[in-house]
Order: sequence, then structure tokens, then C-alpha cells
Amino acid sequence: DVKVTQSSRYLVKRTGEKVFLECVQDMDHENMFWYRQDPGLGLRLIYFSYDVKMKEKGDIPEGYSVSREKKERFSLILESASTNQTSMYLCASSRPGTGESFFGQGTRLTVV
Amino acid sequence: AQSVAQPEDQVNVAEGNPLTVKCTYSVSGNPYLFWYVQYPNRGLQFLLKYITGDNLVKGSYGFEAEFNKSQTSFHLKKPSALVSDSALYFCAVRDGGGRRALTFGSGTRLQVQP
Repeated sequence: DVKVTQSSRYLVKRTGEKVFLECVQDMDHENMFWYRQDPGLGLRLIYFSYDVKMKEKGDIPEGYSVSREKKERFSLILESASTNQTSMYLCASSRPGTGESFFGQGTRLTVV
Repeated sequence: AQSVAQPEDQVNVAEGNPLTVKCTYSVSGNPYLFWYVQYPNRGLQFLLKYITGDNLVKGSYGFEAEFNKSQTSFHLKKPSALVSDSALYFCAVRDGGGRRALTFGSGTRLQVQP
């Protein structure tokens, strides 16, 4: 069974902390994505990567960075967490072409 | 730019009745269209997709969707709703020749009453 695993289900961090969200996929997918989900706004793309060490900004990259050192792992970094980054974060992966994206279970981050 | 609109925040339907969840999209190239479902405190699960071919697409759990190019719509349907279908539904689009990432709608909460 295909799997995208996010390292934490729930996180509570303090304002100003550097936060790392980790995502691992076991499907050998080239593409990986980070979204945030907020009520009434749906999912918004933060960053995506189509290969190791390659990344592209999504629609809302401000305050975030990413790292992809290995094909199976895609990390989202909040350089200095702020309360407006309290949200549900979803990682996904897909093959190039017409395939669907597979999602992790999500990390609910609260910044206090 | 690509975009998706889900005009209804919530859809209420009685168990056993047909359901429709609406979606319209905008892309510059050929659309790749998807429906996902999200249960409480879970990630998104894939339901179905349209890439090319027959305009009526069948997916998981008895769901289907109809691609209408002239109306730029991709409505999700099910002939007979179940209480267990109650969840949050997202429509998503990709430009077949463009950005690899999906653009999602704001989501529609489906509530099926017993």
C-alpha cells in the first residue's frame, strides 16, 4: 500500500521558534508538495519539488523554506514561527504526468 | 493561472437520495481534474480523476463525476447517499501542459442525514 508519512500529527511551538515538518514517501515519486489547509480557503500550495535539490515556490511561500536532499524526503521549514502560521499542513507526492497526488495524514501546527 | 470554485460551503442531503457537489474550473490548457475526500483529522483520499476520454468518470465508493467542457464544470455525483459519505470534499485542477501542482477549491462539506 502506498504511503506518505508525516513525522508529527500535532505540534505546539512558540512564536519565533524554527520549526521542521518532515515528510517521507515510499513510492519513489519524483514530485513532492507542501500545502496548508485553512477553513474556507481549501488547500494552498506552499512549495513543491520535482527532483532532489530542486524546488519551486507555490502560491504562499513567504515565511517558509524547504529542503529535499533525498528523493523520498521533503522537509518544510518555518524559519521563525508566527501565530498566523497556525494551520494544518499536508504533504503530498505524485509521479510526473497524469497521476493523482497521494497525501499524508497532516500535521496540525499551533504556534503560541 | 488556474483556479477552482466550489460554490457551496455545505450540501445537505437525506440518506438514499442522490447527491451533487458542484465544481467549476479555469485553466489555460487541457484540464486534469480530480476529486478528493477528507474525513475528520485525516489527510485527503483520492476519489476519481478526469484526464481524457469519456466525460463520465467513475470512482471509489460509488461516486462519479461528469466533465463538461463548455460549462467548465466537473460536478461530483452519487445516485444514493450514505450517512458514511458525510465528509469534506475537494475539487482540484491541473493544467495538463503547465504547473505540476494541483490547485484546490475551498471545499464543500457534505452532510447526509439518516
